[in-house]
Amino acid sequence: NAGVTQTPEFQVLKTGQSMTLQCAQDMNHEYMSWYRQDPGMGLRLIHYSVGAGITDQGEVPNGYNVSRSTTEDFPLRLLSAAPSQTSVYFCASRTGTGAHGYTFGSGTRLTVV
Amino acid sequence: AQSVTQLDSQVPVFEEAPVELRCNYSSSVSVYLFWYVQYPNQGLQLLLKYLSGSTLVKGINGFEAEFNKSQTSFHLRKPSVHISDTAEYFCAVTLSGGGSNYKLTFGKGTLLTVNP
Repeated sequence: NAGVTQTPEFQVLKTGQSMTLQCAQDMNHEYMSWYRQDPGMGLRLIHYSVGAGITDQGEVPNGYNVSRSTTEDFPLRLLSAAPSQTSVYFCASRTGTGAHGYTFGSGTRLTVV
Repeated sequence: AQSVTQLDSQVPVFEEAPVELRCNYSSSVSVYLFWYVQYPNQGLQLLLKYLSGSTLVKGINGFEAEFNKSQTSFHLRKPSVHISDTAEYFCAVTLSGGGSNYKLTFGKGTLLTVNP
C-alpha cells in the first residue's frame, strides 16, 4: 500500500515556465488537497477536491490550477512560475469523514529562479 | 472559520526533560483536533487526534495531548524527550460532522530541538 505518492521530489524552474506536480493515492480516498509549506507560515491550502470532477479553491489559489478526472490522481499545475512559488508542496488525502485526518505525501521541493 | 495558534515557534529542551507544546484553536462549532510531526526533509506524520470522549488522548512515540474545551486548547506533552524527537510539530483543526469539513487548518508550527 503506497499511500500518497508525489512526483517529482525536487524541481528547479525558471521564471515563466509551467509544470505539473503529480499526486496519486491508492486508498480510494474521496478528499484530496494541495498545501504549500513556507518557513514560519505552516501549511496553507491551495486547492482541494471532494471527489472526481469536483475541485475548489483554498486560501492561496492564485497561480495554480487543478483537475480531478479520477479518484486516484490530483495534479497541481503551475501556469507561469514565479519566485514567490518557491516552496515545499504537499498533497494529502482522506476518507469522507474528517475523523482520520489526512495522509500526506512526502512533498515536492520546488525552486523558481 | 476555524483557526489555530501555536504559542511557541521554537522550544529547546534537554534530553530526558519533559516538554509541552502549546496549541489554541478558535471555532464556533465542534472540531476535530490533530497533532502532526515533521522530521527534517520528510512529510507529515499523524501523532494523535481528538475526536470526542476522553479529553486525554495518547499517540505514538509516547506523546499525549489534552483537550480543554473551556480554554480552547490542545496542548501536546511528553514526560521525557529523546534526541530523536527533534522535529517540527503542527497542530491542526477541522470541523466535525458533515458539510464542508474538508479543510484542515494548520498552526504555524513549533520547532522542538532536543539537546544532549
